[in-house]
Amino acid sequence: EVQLVESGGGLVRPGGSLRLSCGGSGYSFISQSMNWVRQSPGKGLEWVSSISSHSDYIYYSNSVKGRFTISRDNAKNSLYLQMNSLRVEDTAVYYCTRSPGTLVDTGTNDYWGQGTLVTVSS
Amino acid sequence: QSALTQPASVSGSPGQSITISCTGTSSDVGNYDLVSWYQQHPGKAPKLVIYQVNRRPSGLSDRFSGSKSGNTASLTISGLQAEDEADYYCCSHVGGSTPFVFGTGTKVTVL
Repeated sequence: EVQLVESGGGLVRPGGSLRLSCGGSGYSFISQSMNWVRQSPGKGLEWVSSISSHSDYIYYSNSVKGRFTISRDNAKNSLYLQMNSLRVEDTAVYYCTRSPGTLVDTGTNDYWGQGTLVTVSS
Repeated sequence: QSALTQPASVSGSPGQSITISCTGTSSDVGNYDLVSWYQQHPGKAPKLVIYQVNRRPSGLSDRFSGSKSGNTASLTISGLQAEDEADYYCCSHVGGSTPFVFGTGTKVTVL
């Protein structure tokens, strides 16, 4: 059974940093691309960042470019999101998702984690 | 990249069919057969219900079906059931440096 489990969320002050982690199991982690998608309270889904299976292709939304860094460690079956210079508007539940295939070009998020809440507030 | 446009709400009675539209542009929905749909119940993570416009994940009810015409994709739920009451989001591949764009979301209410 495919499972994605996020961790690392919490309360942080504006301007602060946080690192999210996502562990994948039940499938060949090294063979699939991965993504972060967020959802602000009461709002819709927003794509944040994507990384191909071997980290050769990395993409960011304009809203986080220059502040967030996505990475993965295939030996540890783990995905990360380093979030710096956090803003109040970054407050959201952050989901780790899997995309089938090695490249991020299928338009599909076939598995989702349970999400981790990030709250940016003074 | 702007969000794809969905109606805010759609409702139907048990047993009826409803259709949710998802309108994009010739750069996203109209350019790729890579539209997916997600169901999200309150407090839960989204769940894939349709991918590549009209393909269903293994084990998913055939009451869910997808289609596309031009820049607009659609999700149809037939034989509406109480458990179908949820938020639904479409998503399209965009290409270039933007792999995904999501729709604005539609709340489905079963009357």
